Amino acid sequence: AQKVTQAQTEISVVEKEDVTLDCVYETRDTTYYLFWYKQPPSGELVFLIRRNSFDEQNEISGRYSWNFQKSTSSFNFTITASQVVDSAVYFCALTAGQGSGAGSYQLTFGKGTKLSVIP
Amino acid sequence: SQTIHQWPATLVQPVGSPLSLECTVEGTSNPNLYWYRQAAGRGLQLLFYSVGIGQISSEVPQNLSASRPQDRQFILSSKKLLLSDSGFYLCASGGGRTDTQYFGPGTRLTVL
Repeated sequence: AQKVTQAQTEISVVEKEDVTLDCVYETRDTTYYLFWYKQPPSGELVFLIRRNSFDEQNEISGRYSWNFQKSTSSFNFTITASQVVDSAVYFCALTAGQGSGAGSYQLTFGKGTKLSVIP
Repeated sequence: SQTIHQWPATLVQPVGSPLSLECTVEGTSNPNLYWYRQAAGRGLQLLFYSVGIGQISSEVPQNLSASRPQDRQFILSSKKLLLSDSGFYLCASGGGRTDTQYFGPGTRLTVL
């Protein structure tokens, strides 16, 4: 069984502050994939990043960066110099399994972290 | 890149009425398709997924059913809606276990 925990339910920051969203995952599989999605008020989930379990290299994309640490089963997301447009609910998700059978296609989501950036 | 369409965008239905939500995908072939539900203030729950035409797997026993009549069409249905069916329904498309799932704009369903 897989599990994704996002302990922070809601976070508020003032514009231009840095903010880190935490994600801790559980899986018994050695091959797995981690994702972050953004859900703005409109509701559509927007894909941000995917990492596989064999690649612990951290990634930076503009103001976004991700820190993947297998030793602590964490995949944290940092927004640098936050902006009002970053206000959204952010979901961390996991998929794992050997690819045989329907269960391996499931995305297991955390409950999400609501980020509010105050101007 | 693929585009996922969902309609209607919003729907208000009385308890006991039928339901049909449609999802279509452009820009890809033979995708895996998924239906998720997001209840108010909660995370996303996988309801159904399909790896091909006519192939449906259900993750949660419930009042809903799904069908895939065409390669890029996925339909969520109910014969009689319950109050608990209210929520935000999202369709997703992906290429398999290792592929990213992309989501449609969603349908907000309110059952009164």
